[in-house]
Amino acid sequence: EDKVVQSPLSLVVHEGDTVTLNCSYEVTNFRSLLWYKQEKKAPTFLFMLTSSGIEKKSGRLSSILDKKELFSILNITATQTGDSAVYLCVLGAGFQKLVFGTGTRLLVSP
Amino acid sequence: NAGVTQTPKFRVLKTGQSMTLLCAQDMNHEYMYWYRQDPGMGLRLIHYSVGEGTTAKGEVPDGYNVSRLKKQNFLLGLESAAPSQTSVYFCASRPMDRGRETQYFGPGTRLLVL
Repeated sequence: EDKVVQSPLSLVVHEGDTVTLNCSYEVTNFRSLLWYKQEKKAPTFLFMLTSSGIEKKSGRLSSILDKKELFSILNITATQTGDSAVYLCVLGAGFQKLVFGTGTRLLVSP
Repeated sequence: NAGVTQTPKFRVLKTGQSMTLLCAQDMNHEYMYWYRQDPGMGLRLIHYSVGEGTTAKGEVPDGYNVSRLKKQNFLLGLESAAPSQTSVYFCASRPMDRGRETQYFGPGTRLLVL
């Protein structure tokens, strides 16, 4: 059964800290791994990863995929209160199939 | 571009009542999806559509029906609401290009069934 496990479930840090969010997965037909940020409403897209070892960066956020060890990490450097959200790891597994992790809830305190 | 919009934003139903959730997108996307999000469960796919006039079952389709009469709209119907259908419902869409699997999400509809 395809599944996505995220850790930690929740995290509290101070502004300026660096955080690493983890995502491990099991899948029979890997297509992609995606990271979303969900604040109060709709998830918003952050990254899509399809190849191992290639880091994707967007400002203070970066992510990398390891298809051999079946995991991905999302790094956020110099965290800000606006980074507080639930971060979802999502597996693209076969046609039309997305498997969502339950998310990591990040709280950045001032 | 409004992106993906959902109506209503919030609704309270009594058990046995029916309602329709509307999703609209103005990005000319072929694929549209309905998900429900429950605490500790992540998002689960209810139904999806790969084009106008076509629909297919997702992971948790029971108790729901959908229609895609127009490309830009995807309707989710509850014929006889049950308390187990209390959830936040998200609609999403994406273009057909197989290289772009990112989905654009609507703001969600919070449904409470008493």
